[in-house]
Amino acid sequence: QQPVQSPQAVILREGEDAVINCSSSKALYSVHWYRQKHGEAPVFLMILLKGGEQKGHEKISASFNEKKQQSSLYLTASQLSYSGTYFCGTEGNYGGSQGNLIFGKGTKLSVKP
Amino acid sequence: NAGVMQNPRHLVRRRGQEARLRCSPMKGHSHVYWYRQLPEEGLKFMVYLQKENIIDESGMPKERFSAEFPKEGPSILRIQQVVRGDSAAYFCASSPPMTPRNEQFFGPGTRLTVL
Repeated sequence: QQPVQSPQAVILREGEDAVINCSSSKALYSVHWYRQKHGEAPVFLMILLKGGEQKGHEKISASFNEKKQQSSLYLTASQLSYSGTYFCGTEGNYGGSQGNLIFGKGTKLSVKP
Repeated sequence: NAGVMQNPRHLVRRRGQEARLRCSPMKGHSHVYWYRQLPEEGLKFMVYLQKENIIDESGMPKERFSAEFPKEGPSILRIQQVVRGDSAAYFCASSPPMTPRNEQFFGPGTRLTVL
């Protein structure tokens, strides 16, 4: 039930691009992306909803393939501040409880000068 | 507009004591979620509450753990008779009513250490 994130870790030079993937074995209603720096709270980046609606930062883009139950986060022209661990949180497309997120294990991104 | 507030930020307890963690959601938010995070791991859902109601507690251990979100005051996560395995960072998040789904805003967390 826990979504699978890939890669587990990635090292970039400033200015390079990265893609982080998140896939689930269950039908999804939404995918949420967060970034967490060491010792800090997760910070909201993006939410993608079934049907195509998105909410998030202008400089970060993401896709959500409902049929494949996959989402990808695209980080372009990376900056040092992008370093951190990226988590996807998935919300199931089932009746009953809504809102609780099942998080992946995270992708650790390091951006070097 | 103040963000989600959690206190204490750090809590040290001896085995067998009780730990009480508090969370005040953002203004206007009526939904609270508690998550637990072990070192180098992801966030694990514990419980989802609205005012005076537990909506989903499927992630809560059956014993020793309880949560509430009273009509007045913060949400409380209570851990009775703590054990070393309870040592973790506990984050709460809040969101406005979900029409449609909304992002969850996280508090700074409470780091619980059990000696």
